[in-house]
Amino acid sequence: DIQMTQSPSSLSASVGDRVTITCRASQSISSHLNWYQQRPGKAPNLLIYGATSLQSGVPSRFSGSESGTDFTLTISSLQPEDFAVYYCQQSYSSPRTFGQGTKVEIK
Amino acid sequence: QVQLMQSGAEVKKPGASVKVSCKASGYRFTSYGISWVRQAPGQGLEWMGWISTYNGNTNYAQYFQGRVTMTTDTSTNTTYLDLRSLRSDDTAVYYCARDTVGLRFHPYFDYWGQGTLVTVSS
Repeated sequence: DIQMTQSPSSLSASVGDRVTITCRASQSISSHLNWYQQRPGKAPNLLIYGATSLQSGVPSRFSGSESGTDFTLTISSLQPEDFAVYYCQQSYSSPRTFGQGTKVEIK
Repeated sequence: QVQLMQSGAEVKKPGASVKVSCKASGYRFTSYGISWVRQAPGQGLEWMGWISTYNGNTNYAQYFQGRVTMTTDTSTNTTYLDLRSLRSDDTAVYYCARDTVGLRFHPYFDYWGQGTLVTVSS
């Protein structure tokens, strides 16, 4: 199975901050990387697919990038509604594994 | 609009089985598969498997092989997750999600059900 390792596991930030979350795959996944946001008590919501493509309806402050097996989710200016848990997921092969999550908290 | 509506919360005893349903609306049901993902309390997301709503083909995560069955009913646009021999560590919220595998070069889950809490306790 492909292992997905996120860092950090949690972070504290203020409204307006630039936030970066990293996800590393245990092997090449050829851009087959998705990012989801999960607010408390809610289902996950797709933000980014194919490592860099913004899902329709998602604010442009969210962006994704990749370098080899390292993937990054960036929130350019953190908003109050962005405090949530973020998960990466590889869709390269089965099982479609998720990272362990990164909790973004209010500083 | 696309919606996935799941059945209500369940409480089961260890060793029992549970069947969770996921009714789709707002799109052509057989054009997209359904994946099931679960989340134990305070934990991360775990992919359980996928079913083609077109022909019923399935792909289960090895961890669940032998204990899980996913089925689909095209007459009611409903997909079912059946999990047997329940243990306390199966206590989780179970989500269905519309899966674009086979339709997109980079597949993803673009719509999710609201989740179904399954509690396994004696």
